[in-house]
Amino acid sequence: GAVVSQHPSRVICKSGTSVKIECRSLDFQATTMFWYRQFPKQSLMLMATSNEGSKATYEQGVEKDKFLINHASLTLSTLTVTSAHPEDSSFYICSARGYSYEQYFGPGTRLTVT
Amino acid sequence: GESVGLHLPTLSVQEGDNSIINCAYSNSASDYFIWYKQESGKGPQFIIDIRSNMDKRQGQRVTVLLNKTVKHLSLQIAATQPGDSAVYFCAENIKGGATNKLIFGTGTLLAVQP
Repeated sequence: GAVVSQHPSRVICKSGTSVKIECRSLDFQATTMFWYRQFPKQSLMLMATSNEGSKATYEQGVEKDKFLINHASLTLSTLTVTSAHPEDSSFYICSARGYSYEQYFGPGTRLTVT
Repeated sequence: GESVGLHLPTLSVQEGDNSIINCAYSNSASDYFIWYKQESGKGPQFIIDIRSNMDKRQGQRVTVLLNKTVKHLSLQIAATQPGDSAVYFCAENIKGGATNKLIFGTGTLLAVQP
């Protein structure tokens, strides 16, 4: 089946710094990639949708200047959390979709901001 | 807003019993529904899907039922095993502008007792 990877799997950063998370589709071309955030014991909340070569579409309440998304190729999307604060600590999950309905999810990235 | 739970409902079953996990979705225009399994610290794993023109679909040990009249989805797991212990999410596919997107339900924690 289709495989999506994320890097890093865990990251700890200091408050005020920025951190970049990569999402890659390993064996298919992802026309659309999605970024989700998940707090403990909660559901996945969609943050933004990105199409290759286009600007990302952010969900209501998600700051686009804080969560920078780049989808420069059909196999790579990046999420940069800028000026991270402890409240940004969360589990960030990406998914990728090719030419069908199905989304393939990455393993997630645990971000801890100290 | 989107479905976000403040806590996870829990379903506790004995090994070998059948499990039924329920989900209410929000958008009557949703055309595609998916059940995901999420183990601790991992990304969601696809279990089974169903399109809105169907009311039942069966997999190897799982069955999904869709009742569009009351906007209800259920996942039935036969002969539940300890390895089925996880959080289960339903997701509905919603057209968001030019791109379809998945909105997740609140999730249910399935605890299988040996």
